[in-house]
Amino acid sequence: GDSVTQMEGPVTLSEEAFLTINCTYTATGYPSLFWYVQYPGEGLQLLLKATKADDKGSNKGFEATYRKETTSFHLEKGSVQVSDSAVYFCALSERTGRRALTFGSGTRLQVQP
Amino acid sequence: ETGVTQSPTHLIKTRGQQVTLRCSSQSGHNTVSWYQQALGQGPQFIFQYYREEENGRGNFPPRFSGLQFPNYSSELNVNALELDDSALYLCASSRDRATGELFFGEGSRLTVL
Repeated sequence: GDSVTQMEGPVTLSEEAFLTINCTYTATGYPSLFWYVQYPGEGLQLLLKATKADDKGSNKGFEATYRKETTSFHLEKGSVQVSDSAVYFCALSERTGRRALTFGSGTRLQVQP
Repeated sequence: ETGVTQSPTHLIKTRGQQVTLRCSSQSGHNTVSWYQQALGQGPQFIFQYYREEENGRGNFPPRFSGLQFPNYSSELNVNALELDDSALYLCASSRDRATGELFFGEGSRLTVL
């Protein structure tokens, strides 16, 4: 079955540091890929997405590129802020059949001032 | 635009009891999905409802059941509660059933004693 593997957290960074959160996936088909974010006390929110190979999703300074050859979708940000502290989830959705999201286990990011 | 709302936010039940969780979808959305999120884990797909019919189910036993109403709101029912059912239950709505762009509520936290 489909699966998503994320780097374990927590990841602790100082403000303005560079962020990478690794995500790799296993899928039977050709999935769409997503990053969702869960801020403290809030519901999950879509951060960015990519639907085909070499697509780059971007939002709020975050970026991730769909790498089919390495089955990866790593999340990056050049300069993190304290307000980026949250739990980040990588997820995939198959294009056919059941369109449910398969999530990774999440990576907690803590940004210190 | 009203977002996804869930009720109750917290509840405590004992093993063997039954529980009903409720969800109001975002305006204009005809699809509702339910996910279970255990502590420290990513959400796991329970099922999806599209226009009042179940449109896909994850690896959950039949004691997990649901409904969608004509106004696209939804209920999740769990019978014969077990200790392992303790989790955050997330409802998500979407504009159609074929998208991974979901809008999540803040969840209902269920504790089974």
